[in-house]
Amino acid sequence: DQQVKQNSPSLSVQEGRISILNCDYTNSMFDYFLWYKKYPAEGPTFLISISSIKDKNEDGRFTVFLNKSAKHLSLHIVPSQPGDSAVYFCAASVPTTDKLIFGTGTRLQVFP
Amino acid sequence: EAQVTQNPRYLITVTGKKLTVTCSQNMNHEYMSWYRQDPGLGLRQIYYSMNVEVTDKGDVPEGYKVSRKEKRNFPLILESPSPNQTSLYFCASSLSRGREKLFFGSGTQLSVL
Repeated sequence: DQQVKQNSPSLSVQEGRISILNCDYTNSMFDYFLWYKKYPAEGPTFLISISSIKDKNEDGRFTVFLNKSAKHLSLHIVPSQPGDSAVYFCAASVPTTDKLIFGTGTRLQVFP
Repeated sequence: EAQVTQNPRYLITVTGKKLTVTCSQNMNHEYMSWYRQDPGLGLRQIYYSMNVEVTDKGDVPEGYKVSRKEKRNFPLILESPSPNQTSLYFCASSLSRGREKLFFGSGTQLSVL
């Protein structure tokens, strides 16, 4: 049972345009969400996070939106750059534990 | 340089031959964790540790052991590897909580024949 789902395995976007990566979750108890980026042959690196008490968090070109009623999380990258080409994982934190549940990942390709 | 170091990067072994994947961090982090990445399944947590001598199961602990005798080290032990443990493994650490920013190692690609 996949509690955190990234239904789009891949996404292709032109440089300069907006990239929107989506993540759906089933457990309404999740209280903290994170996005990680992974380049080939490297480990994931932290990108941005959001608490469930917020609906938006912004860091430079990256913005994460949280819609709790829809149990939906999205990451917006504006403007997209070729260096953003990577696999993006969303993750959700289980309250009162230190478990993180990761999604299956979305491969973003930004072309010139 | 702050980092999480895993060794080896690549490992090919045979069924039943015990192996250890080492993980070390130089950031004095309390929290450490192991994940495996499989196609279509994302990253799944194997074990995690809140501090020295404190470990707990993640979502897929079967067939794995861990120990945390020192703060900096968190080795992953496969006592009797099987082909279904062929995977890409990542060690990660964070300052104090699993929900905080995790620092990942570069990964260990394990093949069990």
